[in-house]
Amino acid sequence: DAGITQSPRHKVTETGTPVTLRCHQTENHRYMYWYRQDPGHGLRLIHYSYGVKDTDKGEVSDGYSVSRSKTEDFLLTLESATSSQTSVYFCAISEAGLSYNEQFFGPGTRLTVL
Amino acid sequence: RKEVEQDPGPFNVPEGATVAFNCTYSNSASQSFFWYRQDCRKEPKLLMSVYSSGNEDGRFTAQLNRASQYISLLIRDSKLSDSATYLCVVRGDNYGQNFVFGPGTRLSVLP
Repeated sequence: DAGITQSPRHKVTETGTPVTLRCHQTENHRYMYWYRQDPGHGLRLIHYSYGVKDTDKGEVSDGYSVSRSKTEDFLLTLESATSSQTSVYFCAISEAGLSYNEQFFGPGTRLTVL
Repeated sequence: RKEVEQDPGPFNVPEGATVAFNCTYSNSASQSFFWYRQDCRKEPKLLMSVYSSGNEDGRFTAQLNRASQYISLLIRDSKLSDSATYLCVVRGDNYGQNFVFGPGTRLSVLP
C-alpha cells in the first residue's frame, strides 16, 4: 500500500469553527489531491497540488483552502465550517511522468459539522 | 450529461456468477482509464488500469472502446470478497491531472 496517512481520522466540530485536515505521504509523489465523498455525488475534487506551493482549485473549492509547504504534506482548511461540509474527505497522490498516473488514496477523514 | 456514468446497480449475484459493469465517458480526449474498488467506509483502491488493447488480471477483464467511449469490467467466478462498489475513473489528458470519478456500481455477491 502507498504510504499515505490522514489526520485526524474522525472529527466532530461546530459550525463556524476552523478545521484543518492533514495528508502526509512518504512516496515523494508530486501530485496531491483532496476529495470529498458524499452519497449521490461520488468523489469530487476540492483542490489539488502539483508541487510545493503550487495548488489549484477543483470542482468544489468554495469554503476550502489548501497549503503545501513540503512535498510530503498537504493541508486542507475549512476556515469556518458549515454543516454542508459534513463529509468524508480523502487525500490522494499520483506521480507525473508515469504513463498511467494512477492515484492512490489515504484512509479518509470523517468530518461532522454540527 | 455527467462526464462519467456507470450502471446504477446494485448488482446482486450468486457466488460463481459472471458479472459485467459498464461505464461511459463524455470527454473524447480522455487518455487514461481505471477501475477502482471501494469497500464500505474505506478508501478507493486501484483494481486495474484499462489499456487500449484490453487487459486481464486473474478473474478480472477490462475492455476499452474508444469509438463508443465506454469501458467495461468483467468479473468471472465471483467471490464473496468481490462485494464492493466499483468506480470507473477517467483521466482527461496525459498532461493534466483531471481524474473524473463515476458514481460507482455496487456489487453484492451472495452465498
